[in-house]
Amino acid sequence: AQSVTQLGSHVSVSEGALVLLRCNYSSSVPPYLFWYVQYPNQGLQLLLKYTSAATLVKGINGFEAEFKKSETSFHLTKPSAHMSDAAEYFCAVIFSGGYNKLIFGAGTRLAVHP
Amino acid sequence: DAMVIQNPRYQVTQFGKPVTLSCSQTLNHNVMYWYQQKSSQAPKLLFHYYDKDFNNEADTPDNFQSRRPNTSFCFLDIRSPGLGDAAMYLCATSSDEGTTSYNEQFFGPGTRLTVL
Repeated sequence: AQSVTQLGSHVSVSEGALVLLRCNYSSSVPPYLFWYVQYPNQGLQLLLKYTSAATLVKGINGFEAEFKKSETSFHLTKPSAHMSDAAEYFCAVIFSGGYNKLIFGAGTRLAVHP
Repeated sequence: DAMVIQNPRYQVTQFGKPVTLSCSQTLNHNVMYWYQQKSSQAPKLLFHYYDKDFNNEADTPDNFQSRRPNTSFCFLDIRSPGLGDAAMYLCATSSDEGTTSYNEQFFGPGTRLTVL
């Protein structure tokens, strides 16, 4: 069955430390992959997307993600966390043939402490 | 700036009292979506409009209805809200007029619904 999994519902890092949020998908055909960020009481903002072009994708706010087909992963990273990065992060996919269907992972809440 | 607008941002209703949430867009996108997001959960698609064609998700309760009177506006009607319907409701839009085989979705800020 096609699915998307985010490992770790909560991640806590120190300001200035590396941020790594994990996302894996289950599908025989690589999907289109997205990372969204949600601040409290706000909608979803697109951070970056993978659409079968470059496997290393750079997004807004210094985030990037690398698509690894062999590992069926699309992990989100940022070299140096900032206090303003504290938010909920959702990995989402559109599977092949699922034209309008965006499937979300459960989300990872990122906390950044001084 | 082109955008997705949701009104109101916060809505309080009483148990069983019908409520309507509004979404408008200036992107001229032909697809509009409604998601329900409960606390600490991922958004869950309720339904979407592809132009005027309504597409309901199989597990969306009958209590939830939608209207799209024109390209710019879409409404979510909850006929008899229960306590379990308290959530953030997100509207999103996308366009399939490009050459890609996927639709990137653009989200509004959401309406937080409280049911008393």
